[in-house]
Amino acid sequence: QVQLVQSGAEVKKPGASVKVSCKTSGYSFTRYPIQWVRQAPGQRLEWMGWINGGNGKTLYSQKFQGRVTITRDTSANIVYMELSSLISEDLAVYYCAKYGDYGGYDYWGQGTLVTVSS
Amino acid sequence: ENVLTQSPGTLSLSPGERATLSCRASQSVNSHYLAWYQQKPGQAPRLLIYGASSRATGVPDRFSGGGSGTDFTLTISRLEPEDFAVYYCHQYATSPATFGPGTKVEIK
Repeated sequence: QVQLVQSGAEVKKPGASVKVSCKTSGYSFTRYPIQWVRQAPGQRLEWMGWINGGNGKTLYSQKFQGRVTITRDTSANIVYMELSSLISEDLAVYYCAKYGDYGGYDYWGQGTLVTVSS
Repeated sequence: ENVLTQSPGTLSLSPGERATLSCRASQSVNSHYLAWYQQKPGQAPRLLIYGASSRATGVPDRFSGGGSGTDFTLTISRLEPEDFAVYYCHQYATSPATFGPGTKVEIK
């Protein structure tokens, strides 16, 4: 079955970077894009960007442009999201999600809590 | 960006009742790219509806979606205890993809 398993919680200092992984299994990795979505406490979901599993092309939200980098390892079926220059407002749960056959994001990782604190 | 608003913010209902949730977009959305998700505390969102009206795999038929243009709805025909959660609409037609603020369906 399809699974997306993310790396564990992180605590970072302001100004640092964080890299979250999303290990996928159970489907053809190169056929589907993977999205990254975050959710700050009590806030709505916020789309950050995506990567094409096949050709590695990326698209980022302008809000995070210059701070976020999404990459993939096709040999291990893993997608990475790195967010740099962290500030306290980056405190959130970060999710990876697979684009569905017919639309929507049909499978999600369990989420990774990133805390930014001095 | 296409801003989504949802109403009401909270819906207080009893099991067995009908729930109607609304989502309004600031710009027209191609209905092929409108989805609804359910989220429970401490869990990732779960896809319920894609293409505005198609149920995702395994979603009970008490959930239905509709609408077009800027106005969309999610209806739960008879609430079951496990349906009390937060529901988000989502458009992925234009970048950036955006989500609504959510409607919390709570037990009355």
